[in-house]
Amino acid sequence: DGGITQSPKYLFRKEGQNVTLSCEQNLNHDAMYWYRQDPGQGLRLIYYSQIVNDFQKGDIAEGYSVSREKKESFPLTVTSAQKNPTAFYLCASSEAGGHETQYFGPGTRLLVL
Amino acid sequence: SQQGEEDPQALSIQEGENATMNCSYKTSINNLQWYRQNSGRGLVHLILIRSNEREKHSGRLRVTLDTSKKSSSLLITASRAADTASYFCATKGNNRLAFGKGNQVVVIP
Repeated sequence: DGGITQSPKYLFRKEGQNVTLSCEQNLNHDAMYWYRQDPGQGLRLIYYSQIVNDFQKGDIAEGYSVSREKKESFPLTVTSAQKNPTAFYLCASSEAGGHETQYFGPGTRLLVL
Repeated sequence: SQQGEEDPQALSIQEGENATMNCSYKTSINNLQWYRQNSGRGLVHLILIRSNEREKHSGRLRVTLDTSKKSSSLLITASRAADTASYFCATKGNNRLAFGKGNQVVVIP
């Protein structure tokens, strides 16, 4: 089956801890994205990557970091610098050209202990 | 920055009725897209309409785009309980897709 997978489904973070959210796609898409969704809100773009080994900051990149070492993988690290990390995190991908029709993973819900 | 703004925010209808929701935006766009999100899940792409198109259909979905008014509408005909979800519009402007806050639609069986 082609698609995007995210893991874990739920993630708990302790104070001062960095956590990494996984995103993998087998759609052979060049572009990948990370969004944050808060209750009752739309999606806000954290980081995006249009090609391997390259990525750009979105609207709310502070406190987050990413890497794009492989075409199929785009992990997101929520660092201790992100003071309000509790949210639903969505990964998406699209074909080359970026920001056209996006295909989303099932999401990871991050909670702070 | 976020462009799309859906209206109304929440809609409750009986199964079989039509559901209409609107989206407005502020700047020029290349295309406008509608997505559906079931509770606690990822978004699913429904339909894309380009800036030079005025209307588009896909199954029970009908989307209109009025670039002079910077607005779009999504019509779901003959709604079903399975249509219960949040619906988001997303506008593509300067190489960025901006999502609205979403419309919650509840279809009562």
